Amino acid sequence: NAGVTQTPKFQVLKTGQSMTLQCAQDMNHEYMSWYRQDPGMGLRLIHYSVGAGITDQGEVPNGYNVSRSTTEDFPLRLLSAAPSQTSVYFCASTLTGTGGSPLHFGNGTRLTVT
Amino acid sequence: AQSVTQPDIHITVSEGASLELRCNYSYGATPYLFWYVQSPGQGLQLLLKYFSGDTLVQGIKGFEAEFKRSQSSFNLRKPSVHWSDAAEYFCAVAPGNYGQNFVFGPGTRLSVLP
Repeated sequence: NAGVTQTPKFQVLKTGQSMTLQCAQDMNHEYMSWYRQDPGMGLRLIHYSVGAGITDQGEVPNGYNVSRSTTEDFPLRLLSAAPSQTSVYFCASTLTGTGGSPLHFGNGTRLTVT
Repeated sequence: AQSVTQPDIHITVSEGASLELRCNYSYGATPYLFWYVQSPGQGLQLLLKYFSGDTLVQGIKGFEAEFKRSQSSFNLRKPSVHWSDAAEYFCAVAPGNYGQNFVFGPGTRLSVLP
């Protein structure tokens, strides 16, 4: 059972470039989310989805887009990369409607924008 | 709004010593509470969770945590630390309603001296 799979593991972009971070889960979780992790700031929610076709903004959504066409996949798009988006990105999923279900995390994507 | 504080940014203990990591939360009702551990270059792994009932919960790797409603705290403890426990530890809360938007603390980095 693969759980939550993120690709790529590392990425270097130049300012202004665009890219998509991939996330897939095989646990049939309705809820999926993207976090960024920066030193001393913990994890901050970028976007989340409670099911296919439904997305919403989190705490720090600017500069990022998401879509949820299937239950399994939740890609994160950087439209025009900026140095402030240098971070480690985590995708996480869980069941919805079940109070207190823990988040399951992928292993992260380390992004550097130069 | 919900918030989580972890007062200690970095803690160093000797192998075999006891450990307590502090976590305080702000939330209108009793939330769902979690502790996660992150080893270098890895995603976050669930250590334990509290929903209701017994205020002392046991987790993996010999960790336990105690929920104290009067202090809005959920401190993580381990009686004897092993060198492999060196990692970053995150406390998190979730309201338990539909959507499951977790809020994470800034993390506490644990170093273990041989």
